[in-house]
Amino acid sequence: NAGVMQNPRHLVRRRGQEARLRCSPMKGHSHVYWYRQLPEEGLKFMVYLQKENIIDESGMPKERFSAEFPKEGPSILRIQQVVRGDSAAYFCASSRDRGNTEAFFGQGTRLTVV
Amino acid sequence: DQQVKQNSPSLSVQEGRISILNCDYTNSMFDYFLWYKKYPAEGPTFLISISSIKDKNEDGRFTVFLNKSAKHLSLHIVPSQPGDSAVYFCAAISYNNNDMRFGAGTRLTVKP
Repeated sequence: NAGVMQNPRHLVRRRGQEARLRCSPMKGHSHVYWYRQLPEEGLKFMVYLQKENIIDESGMPKERFSAEFPKEGPSILRIQQVVRGDSAAYFCASSRDRGNTEAFFGQGTRLTVV
Repeated sequence: DQQVKQNSPSLSVQEGRISILNCDYTNSMFDYFLWYKKYPAEGPTFLISISSIKDKNEDGRFTVFLNKSAKHLSLHIVPSQPGDSAVYFCAAISYNNNDMRFGAGTRLTVKP
């Protein structure tokens, strides 16, 4: 029973480039959460998705950031025109139900913008 | 591989009593530890942390203890309140490789 898989583990992008972060939830899980961790801070909620739907994106920056969770394939967190301040660890978690507190996290993608 | 373990999936305590949540780790490279709290249908929120150079950190009703030799940390909540009922995740970071690992979580129920 594979856990939540995130790739890549480490991603380096130059300012202005695009970053794509992928998250494959656990088998049987249809709910995906994305979090960002800035240095010296805890996890910050970004977006919550179900298959083909964005349920809550209150934590997403208004510009340059988008997320999707298509019917087939992994969830994608996309950051356009990255800036240095986007450098952080991005974590994905999945759960079976919305009210299910047993959300499992992936190991994260560390994005470094140079 | 489970480098951070929370062996108690659930814990139930009476309001006003102490809640003790435990966490063990295996990787000696971890040097920063955190506790997260998660309510249903919400993402986990940062609660308290401790650096490996300390053995105790206190914030209000929450205290985290670190025993490096035993590779063990614990979160104490005193006094426990019904609003503390949530799932608590222990996490560990190795700044050497920026790796962060979470435990599986412990569901705390505080009964009125």
